[in-house]
Amino acid sequence: GQNIDQPTEMTATEGAIVQINCTYQTSGFNGLFWYQQHAGEAPTFLSYNVLDGLEEKGRFSSFLSRSKGYSYLLLKELQMKDSASYLCAAMDSNYQLIWGAGTKLIIKP
Amino acid sequence: DVKVTQSSRYLVKRTGEKVFLECVQDMDHENMFWYRQDPGLGLRLIYFSYDVKMKEKGDIPEGYSVSREKKERFSLILESASTNQTSMYLCASSPRGGHTDTQYFGPGTRLTVL
Repeated sequence: GQNIDQPTEMTATEGAIVQINCTYQTSGFNGLFWYQQHAGEAPTFLSYNVLDGLEEKGRFSSFLSRSKGYSYLLLKELQMKDSASYLCAAMDSNYQLIWGAGTKLIIKP
Repeated sequence: DVKVTQSSRYLVKRTGEKVFLECVQDMDHENMFWYRQDPGLGLRLIYFSYDVKMKEKGDIPEGYSVSREKKERFSLILESASTNQTSMYLCASSPRGGHTDTQYFGPGTRLTVL
């Protein structure tokens, strides 16, 4: 079956670095998405990886290893506004997104 | 900026009522999606549409139907609402072209069925 796993909740300190992991099993693979969702709001796109390696975008970076079925989202210089849920989604061979349950990130001062 | 709007942010209905959830996007996107989001579960796809008058079942279509009469509008219908359909409903759209195009989400409708 198809499956996405990510931690339910993480806590980090303002100014620090946090890494949110995601493992996936899909029928075929056409890329891995990360979305951010603040409480009560719509998910918004953060990143897309289809090739192995690290993609950096400001304070946020996303990494993919296709052979390991693994991705992570790295957030640097954490700010209070980064408190949100982070959703991992893998696209299967039918170009359908398989979504993880999301990781709730709590930032403490 | 892409804008996806949903008709209501909060909705309370009674068991057995027919419920309409409307979604409108203003960026001429071909693809539109309806998801539900429940605590501890990932987004689950109910229905999607790649063109006007076209619809495809997602992972959990039972108890739902959809309508896409115009390109910008995608409606989700609960024919006879039940308490297990209490959830957050999210609409999304994406342009045709690369299959990896980003989905843009509406603000969601939190539906409570009593």
